[in-house]
Amino acid sequence: NAGVTQTPKFRVLKTGQSMTLLCAQDMNHEYMYWYRQDPGMGLRLIHYSVGEGTTAKGEVPDGYNVSRLKKQNFLLGLESAAPSQTSVYFCASSRRDQPQHFGDGTRLSIL
Amino acid sequence: AQSVSQHNHHVILSEAASLELGCNYSYGGTVNLFWYVQYPGQHLQLLLKYFSGDPLVKGIKGFEAEFIKSKFSFNLRKPSVQWSDTAEYFCAVILEWAGNKLTFGGGTRVLVKP
Repeated sequence: NAGVTQTPKFRVLKTGQSMTLLCAQDMNHEYMYWYRQDPGMGLRLIHYSVGEGTTAKGEVPDGYNVSRLKKQNFLLGLESAAPSQTSVYFCASSRRDQPQHFGDGTRLSIL
Repeated sequence: AQSVSQHNHHVILSEAASLELGCNYSYGGTVNLFWYVQYPGQHLQLLLKYFSGDPLVKGIKGFEAEFIKSKFSFNLRKPSVQWSDTAEYFCAVILEWAGNKLTFGGGTRVLVKP
């Protein structure tokens, strides 16, 4: 049982490049989330999904897009990467009204 | 705006010392409360949660937290820390109107000296 799996674990991009982060969960959870973690700021919610085919904006959605075409997958896209998006990105999933389970994170550096 | 405040950014203590980390939130309605721990290089793991009932909650690894509604607080405690408790600790809340969305505090880095 893998839980929440994020790929890739590390990535370096140049400003203006695009990329997609993949999150996969095998717990049949309805809810999935993308966070970014920056020093001293805890985790901030970027986008989330309450079910297959649905997405919604979180606290810091600008510069990111997401898709949830399959219940088990939640993709985070950066269309034109900026240095301000250098961060550690965490995906999480949960059932309704239950604690969230987190992936191992993706460390993204944008030069 | 609703927020979660963790008073200490860094805490350094010796093994066997007692630990208390403060957490306050600014919302007058119903909340669900959590403490997560992040060991170096790892993902967040749930230490404990409070949804309702006994305001003194016991979690894993000897941690406990007390919900004091009148003080909007949910402080984390451990009577005797170990070197392996070195980690970053995050308080988080789910507000009653916010679905399942967590709002995190800024985190407290705890260093336990052997």
